[in-house]
Amino acid sequence: SAVISQKPSRDICQRGTSLTIQCQVDSQVTMMFWYRQQPGQSLTLIATANQGSEATYESGFVIDKFPISRPNLTFSTLTVSNMSPEDSSIYLCSVSRDSTFSGNTIYFGEGSWLTVV
Amino acid sequence: GENVEQHPSTLSVQEGDSAVIKCTYSDSASNYFPWYKQELGKGPQLIIDIRSNVGEKKDQRIAVTLNKTAKHFSLHITETQPEDSAVYFCAPSGGSYIPTFGRGTSLIVHP
Repeated sequence: SAVISQKPSRDICQRGTSLTIQCQVDSQVTMMFWYRQQPGQSLTLIATANQGSEATYESGFVIDKFPISRPNLTFSTLTVSNMSPEDSSIYLCSVSRDSTFSGNTIYFGEGSWLTVV
Repeated sequence: GENVEQHPSTLSVQEGDSAVIKCTYSDSASNYFPWYKQELGKGPQLIIDIRSNVGEKKDQRIAVTLNKTAKHFSLHITETQPEDSAVYFCAPSGGSYIPTFGRGTSLIVHP
């Protein structure tokens, strides 16, 4: 398994502001991902965080709104920019130790609960 | 992409009863079938998984069964306890790079 720490765990944010979420893993991992979970909903992949290069975003998510960094194999950040109430969600960092997602277990952090007012 | 359907969306049982949640998928190339449990205020945690060369796997009160021909797999919880109350997600993968999560099943176990 993997121990994944996310900060902040919870925050209340003013609309129009930006917030950066940090994800720290206890050991090196190949793949890191960011998910969003809106209230009462399933998990939606935002992007794959690539070490040393730009993140790979899923349809409906763009870099200007969700800039991601991954400076090394154990750390990543997700910024939610220019927040609106629709961005109120749980943001989850997840990792996989293998080079592909296919057929491999993914582990999740505890999530960062953001409420935008 | 993979189409994943999870049923039921809500399941209410009495303590001690069994619970079954079913997940159907569309991608015949899928070969990994996990179930995640998400308790309130926490991230999803893997509770059991199965690969396509196995039909059933058990871990104490929890089991997963796979029917690859029909493209579905199920989570079975026996002797349910109040601490089993949570949202459960299936997330088949293999054919596509990224696993697709089901919509989740809210299991409520009444003491």
